[in-house]
Amino acid sequence: QVQLVESGGGVVQPGTSLRLSCAASGFSFNTYAMHWVRQPPGKGLEWVAFIWSDGLHDYYGDSVKGRFTISRDNSKSIVYLQMNNLRAEDTAVYYCGGDPPQSGWALHIWGQGTTVTVSS
Amino acid sequence: QSVLTQPPSASGAPGQRVSISCSGSSSNIGRNTVNWYRQLPGTAPKLLLSNNDQRPSGVPDRISGSKSGTSASLAISGLQSEDEADYYCAAWDSSLEAVVFGGGTKLTVL
Repeated sequence: QVQLVESGGGVVQPGTSLRLSCAASGFSFNTYAMHWVRQPPGKGLEWVAFIWSDGLHDYYGDSVKGRFTISRDNSKSIVYLQMNNLRAEDTAVYYCGGDPPQSGWALHIWGQGTTVTVSS
Repeated sequence: QSVLTQPPSASGAPGQRVSISCSGSSSNIGRNTVNWYRQLPGTAPKLLLSNNDQRPSGVPDRISGSKSGTSASLAISGLQSEDEADYYCAAWDSSLEAVVFGGGTKLTVL
């Protein structure tokens, strides 16, 4: 079935790095743009980044620009989020989302989320 | 402070119709389509409407959307207890080159 499964979350110290993965199945991954969206505890959704279906272009939210990098491996149907220089305010549940062609940046498919906690 | 503005809360009795607004600007809602998501407690968000008013498969037709100028709205008619959730609007912002979300609206079914 159509599925996104995130992994790689955990508890890390400020200033360190973490890489999240999101494995896709059940749909044509290489035709979908892919996004990361996060949700701090008790707060609303915050868009983090997205990457085109061919991986040639990527875009970031201001709060993560220069620290986070989104990438994808279409041969493995996986999208990654490399997070460097982590801060306490990066603590959140991180969701990946699939955005099909011509959908107007609508995330039709969501993963279950992976939790990142940045704390000393 | 979110780029898109939503009321923090809304409510209605079972069977009633409720509307949630989403206000933006010329660089986001004024130029691009709006998407709406529903999030039940402890679960991932789910797409309710894309391209202002398009319902994905499985979303009932008592849920509708509209857009005018730099504002959009989500309407739910025939309110049911299972509609109690958080609702978010989102759109591409052409100036920021980013997806922007509203702060979310918590819908309570009385």
